[in-house]
Amino acid sequence: AQSVTQPDIHITVSEGASLELRCNYSYGATPYLFWYVQSPGQGLQLLLKYFSGDTLVQGIKGFEAEFKRSQSSFNLRKPSVHWSDAAEYFCAVVHGSSNTGKLIFGQGTTLQVKP
Amino acid sequence: DTGVSQDPRHKITKRGQNVTFRCDPISEHNRLYWYRQTLGQGPEFLTYFQNEAQLEKSRLLSDRFSAERPKGSFSTLEIQRTEQGDSAMYLCASSGGVYNEQFFGPGTRLTVL
Repeated sequence: AQSVTQPDIHITVSEGASLELRCNYSYGATPYLFWYVQSPGQGLQLLLKYFSGDTLVQGIKGFEAEFKRSQSSFNLRKPSVHWSDAAEYFCAVVHGSSNTGKLIFGQGTTLQVKP
Repeated sequence: DTGVSQDPRHKITKRGQNVTFRCDPISEHNRLYWYRQTLGQGPEFLTYFQNEAQLEKSRLLSDRFSAERPKGSFSTLEIQRTEQGDSAMYLCASSGGVYNEQFFGPGTRLTVL
């Protein structure tokens, strides 16, 4: 079955430090991949998406992600974290066997930023 | 365009009661999704509408759950005879195409006592 794994449940980084959040997917064909961010009590906001083409994609708020087919990964990165980046981050893939576009999410990574 | 809205934002109910949530998608979006998110987990797909037609339902959606999207505009999600296990955040999302970005509403947090 198709799945998304985010190995790190909780990550703490210092403000100004670099960040990498890991995401691995299980899917045979070329996946459609997304990263969403959720602040406490809020809905999900799209950070970036990968459909095809350049494997390094740029998103909002200074985030980027790299699609690596050989590793089945789509890791999210940011060179310098700001305190406002503290939130929960979800990696997701469009379910490939239906044409509904429904998303399969990972369990999320909670990011804490130390001053 | 005011985004996806959901009402109410919070609902506390007693076990056995019925509850109904409303979602207003972005007006030009023909696709609407409901997801459920429990604490510490990612959202899980519940059901999908294309215009007014409900085209897919998850096995998570027991017969106590029903969803509608009359006239292809707003949608409602009803839970009958609520159970404590129904406590969760219910998220609605809409999009303009199968691989288009899904825009999420703020969610309705349900607490069943």
